[in-house]
Amino acid sequence: GQSLEQPSEVTAVEGAIVQINCTYQTSGFYGLSWYQQHDGGAPTFLSYNGLDGLEETGRFSSFLSRSDSYGYLLLQELQMKDSASYFCAVLGNTGKLIFGQGTTLQVKP
Amino acid sequence: EAQVTQNPRYLITVTGKKLTVTCSQNMNHEYMSWYRQDPGLGLRQIYYSMNVEVTDKGDVPEGYKVSRKEKRNFPLILESPSPNQTSLYFCASSFRFRVSANEKLFFGSGTQLSVL
Repeated sequence: GQSLEQPSEVTAVEGAIVQINCTYQTSGFYGLSWYQQHDGGAPTFLSYNGLDGLEETGRFSSFLSRSDSYGYLLLQELQMKDSASYFCAVLGNTGKLIFGQGTTLQVKP
Repeated sequence: EAQVTQNPRYLITVTGKKLTVTCSQNMNHEYMSWYRQDPGLGLRQIYYSMNVEVTDKGDVPEGYKVSRKEKRNFPLILESPSPNQTSLYFCASSFRFRVSANEKLFFGSGTQLSVL
């Protein structure tokens, strides 16, 4: 079967760094994506890793280790507006994009 | 403005009354997909379409139908809605969904459906 595991909730303070992990088990693997969703809103694309290593986009970075079937999203210099749900998603060889259950990040002052 | 448009935003209906949720994109995207989102379950794929006249089942297709007669539109049809289909629905599109490429999804604003 196909599954993704990520923590359900993470709490951090403004200005801190937080890491959201994602482990996956899929039939074939072509890449790991991350999406952000504010409460009640549409998910928006954050980053994609097709190869091992770190991808950096401003305050956000994403990492992938294909050998460990593991990735993470790193958020630096946290701001209150970063409070949202974060989903990892894996593209397998079925053509389907499978989403994790989401991690709710709460940023406190 | 490039966007995915879903309608309606909110819908309350009764069991068994057929309904259609529309989805339209203006980006000439080949790939379109429907997801439902329920608390604690993340986004689950209902149906997807790689191109016009090409559709396939996702992980939770039971009770839903779709059609892709033209590139821009991908309506979701509930022939006989039931209360367990109460959920938040998202339509999404992507330029192309090659399995080896980074193709990000653009999501619509969502449709909150309640079936009484």
